[in-house]
Amino acid sequence: QAQLVESGGGLVKPGGSLRLSCAASGFTFSDYFLSWVRQAPGKGLEWLSYISSRGEIIYYADSVKGRFTISRDNANNLLYLQMNSLRADDTAVYYCAREAVEMATTCLDYWGQGTLVTVSS
Amino acid sequence: DIQMTQSPSSLSASVGDRVTITCRASQSISNYLNWYQQQPGKAPKLLIYAASGLQSGVPSRFSGSGSGTDFTLTISSLQPEDFATYYCQQTYSIPQTFGQGTKLEIK
Repeated sequence: QAQLVESGGGLVKPGGSLRLSCAASGFTFSDYFLSWVRQAPGKGLEWLSYISSRGEIIYYADSVKGRFTISRDNANNLLYLQMNSLRADDTAVYYCAREAVEMATTCLDYWGQGTLVTVSS
Repeated sequence: DIQMTQSPSSLSASVGDRVTITCRASQSISNYLNWYQQQPGKAPKLLIYAASGLQSGVPSRFSGSGSGTDFTLTISSLQPEDFATYYCQQTYSIPQTFGQGTKLEIK
C-alpha cells in the first residue's frame, strides 16, 4: 500500500523560509510524478506544483512561482518543497500527493496526511 | 487558467437520499476530471478519475459522468460516512485547478 508522510511544517515569520519533506513508501517512487497541494484554513484545495518522475519536468502555480521550489531524491524516496519569502497567505496545510495515470488522464490517487505551515509574526 | 465551478456549494440531505453534485469547467477539458471526498481534518480521497472511472475500493453508490465542460458526481443512496466535502479537479492543463467544494451535510 502506497504511503506518503509529510514533515517540516511549523511556525515561521513573514519573509522566512521552510522546507517540507514527503517520505514515500510502498510503491516504486521513481516511476511517479508527484504534486504538492495546499489548503488554507477553512478554504478549498489549491494545486501548487508537480515534478516528473526523474525531475526533468516541473510546473508551479503562479501564486508560488519564484518563491517555492519542488525537488525529489529518488534514491531515498523523498519529495521536497522549499518555500522562501513566505507570506501570511501561505498559511495552510500542505499535502504531497502521487499522480497516477488512469484512462490516459491523471489524478492524485494517494495523499499524505498533511503538514501545517503557519506564517505569522 | 481553467476555472472549475461546483454547485451547489452546500447541500443538506438525509441517509438514503440520491444526491447529485455538478462541476462546470470554463472551457472544454474532455474527460480530465476527478472527484475527491474530504472528511474534516483528513486528506482528500480520490473517488472518481477520468470523469467516470471508479477508484479501487470506492463503493459503487458513487458514480461520475460528463465530458467537455459539464460533469456530475452522483451518490445513489447516502450513507452516514458520505457526509463530507467534495471537490472536482481538472488535470487537462496546468495549473491543475479544483472546484471550490460542495459541503454535504445531514438534514
